Amino acid sequence: AQSVTQPDIHITVSEGASLELRCNYSYGATPYLFWYVQSPGQGLQLLLKYFSGDTLVQGIKGFEAEFKRSQSSFNLRKPSVHWSDAAEYFCALGSGTYKYIFGTGTRLKVLA
Amino acid sequence: NAGVTQTPKFRVLKTGQSMTLLCAQDMNHEYMYWYRQDPGMGLRLIHYSVGEGTTAKGEVPDGYNVSRLKKQNFLLGLESAAPSQTSVYFCASRQTSGGAGQFFGPGTRLTVL
Repeated sequence: AQSVTQPDIHITVSEGASLELRCNYSYGATPYLFWYVQSPGQGLQLLLKYFSGDTLVQGIKGFEAEFKRSQSSFNLRKPSVHWSDAAEYFCALGSGTYKYIFGTGTRLKVLA
Repeated sequence: NAGVTQTPKFRVLKTGQSMTLLCAQDMNHEYMYWYRQDPGMGLRLIHYSVGEGTTAKGEVPDGYNVSRLKKQNFLLGLESAAPSQTSVYFCASRQTSGGAGQFFGPGTRLTVL
């Protein structure tokens, strides 16, 4: 069965510290994978996506993610977090049809 | 270029009332989606459309109906609202290419009393 798991419901980091948000997926073939960010009261915004090629993908706002097929993971990273990065982050899987499966989200808090 | 817009932004209904949520996109996207977002559950797909005049059920379609009479619009209807439909509703659209990400609207917060 296709699924997306974000093991961390909440993460707190200090401003300037590095960040890694975890995402694990279950899918029988090479998936399309996405990371979205949602600021309070807003819709979701696409940060980055992976569907083939280089396993390290760069996105907007200084984020990057690495696809690891052996670990079925697509973790999101940022080397230095800014206070404006506080938001909820969603990992999503595109199954090749029309549908997407979203994880339950990780809420990021940034300490000044 | 407004992207994806949703009307209304907020609404309060009484149980049994009906309403329609409107989603509009100006990016000429073929695919459109309606999701609901509830705490701790991520986004769940209600209905989707792969083109004008076509709709299909998603993960949680019960109690909702949709229509896609024009390519740019995707309507979500609640015929008889229930408290379980209290949620934030998001519309999204995307291009037809498989790796395309979705563009989301700002959401509609619906409360059913």
